[in-house]
Amino acid sequence: ILNVEQSPQSLHVQEGDSTNFTCSFPSSNFYALHWYRWETAKSPEALFVMTLNGDEKKKGRISATLNTKEGYSYLYIKGSQPEDSATYLCAFPPAARQLTFGSGTQLTVLP
Amino acid sequence: SAVISQKPSRDICQRGTSLTIQCQVDSQVTMMFWYRQQPGQSLTLIATANQGSEATYESGFVIDKFPISRPNLTFSTLTVSNMSPEDSSIYLCSVEKGNTIYFGEGSWLTVV
Repeated sequence: ILNVEQSPQSLHVQEGDSTNFTCSFPSSNFYALHWYRWETAKSPEALFVMTLNGDEKKKGRISATLNTKEGYSYLYIKGSQPEDSATYLCAFPPAARQLTFGSGTQLTVLP
Repeated sequence: SAVISQKPSRDICQRGTSLTIQCQVDSQVTMMFWYRQQPGQSLTLIATANQGSEATYESGFVIDKFPISRPNLTFSTLTVSNMSPEDSSIYLCSVEKGNTIYFGEGSWLTVV
């Protein structure tokens, strides 16, 4: 059984604060690491697919880094806005096209 | 990208009944995936639906409980049979396009 762990489980921040959370995954047989944002009543939205050790990807105010040797990825949000409130999921594929998800970090940005 | 429509979006079901969830994709795909998220749990893969062959089920999920159809390359159904309160979950279908997996908006089922 693959363990994909995310921390913290939930997070409340004030509008304008920057924040970050962690995804830990098995470092052996690494294939890719996916980040998703899931807002209530919407589809999970793909943010990043990270494949190379040392990768750093950015999308607007959101960025992510990857360390495959130690088995972790960080997601950063700069200057959080209320619309960033969502559950952020990371996922690790044990096989092509399949994903094992972490339990997510639920972010609430308070105005 | 891929646009995925799921029906129903939400339902309240009686214990012991069955419900079929439909998933329609806007383009042809080889495989479609069905996931479940129980309250407080991770998204968990139920099965992979292949067109023209039996679905492949993950450990802990069986065809009698979650029969799947895949009549063509753009459509699939998942039935949750003989429901109990433990089946109250969000059910999501997904497809892979390029290097990204896309999801439907989910079907929120509550079993009473």
